[in-house]
Amino acid sequence: DGGITQSPKYLFRKEGQNVTLSCEQNLNHDAMYWYRQDPGQGLRLIYYSQIVNDFQKGDIAEGYSVSREKKESFPLTVTSAQKNPTAFYLCASSIGGAGRIETQYFGPGTRLLVL
Amino acid sequence: SQQGEEDPQALSIQEGENATMNCSYKTSINNLQWYRQNSGRGLVHLILIRSNEREKHSGRLRVTLDTSKKSSSLLITASRAADTASYFCATGYNQGGKLIFGQGTELSVKP
Repeated sequence: DGGITQSPKYLFRKEGQNVTLSCEQNLNHDAMYWYRQDPGQGLRLIYYSQIVNDFQKGDIAEGYSVSREKKESFPLTVTSAQKNPTAFYLCASSIGGAGRIETQYFGPGTRLLVL
Repeated sequence: SQQGEEDPQALSIQEGENATMNCSYKTSINNLQWYRQNSGRGLVHLILIRSNEREKHSGRLRVTLDTSKKSSSLLITASRAADTASYFCATGYNQGGKLIFGQGTELSVKP
């Protein structure tokens, strides 16, 4: 059963706390992406990775960090430096490679709320 | 910003009617994609049209691309209540391996 999974579905962050959102795929895709979606808005790219052990900043990387140690995993950490983290976070993957821009497959999302 | 713009922002129609959504973008693209998002869910890919294509069909979906006007349209024919969702266009550029998403059109199909 191939797909992309995100956990948890809901995440609560206390002020000053770092939290990590999980994203896993078993589609054997090279490229993975993290997006942020605010209510009634489109998706904004936070970070993306086209290959293991490499990643690039997107349009709104400040206050976030990522790692890509395994092909199937691309966790996102929301640090305390991100002052407005409340949003819906979406992870996606695509076949990727050599800057290809193909269909992206999305996970179900994680909703991050600040306590 | 390279971000595409979609219109209308919201569209309300009756079941059986056709729904048309438009997307405009600013610079030359490699391809343009349409995605659908049900409330609180992830996005689902609908259709991809490449810069050398003018029209594509998939079931009740018809997508057109006019590169001279830097615009695309998504037509959903014979709409159903289950088509109620937000629809996003996303443009892929020749450099960078990433997509730029528009703000979306919120479609409501009333039974």
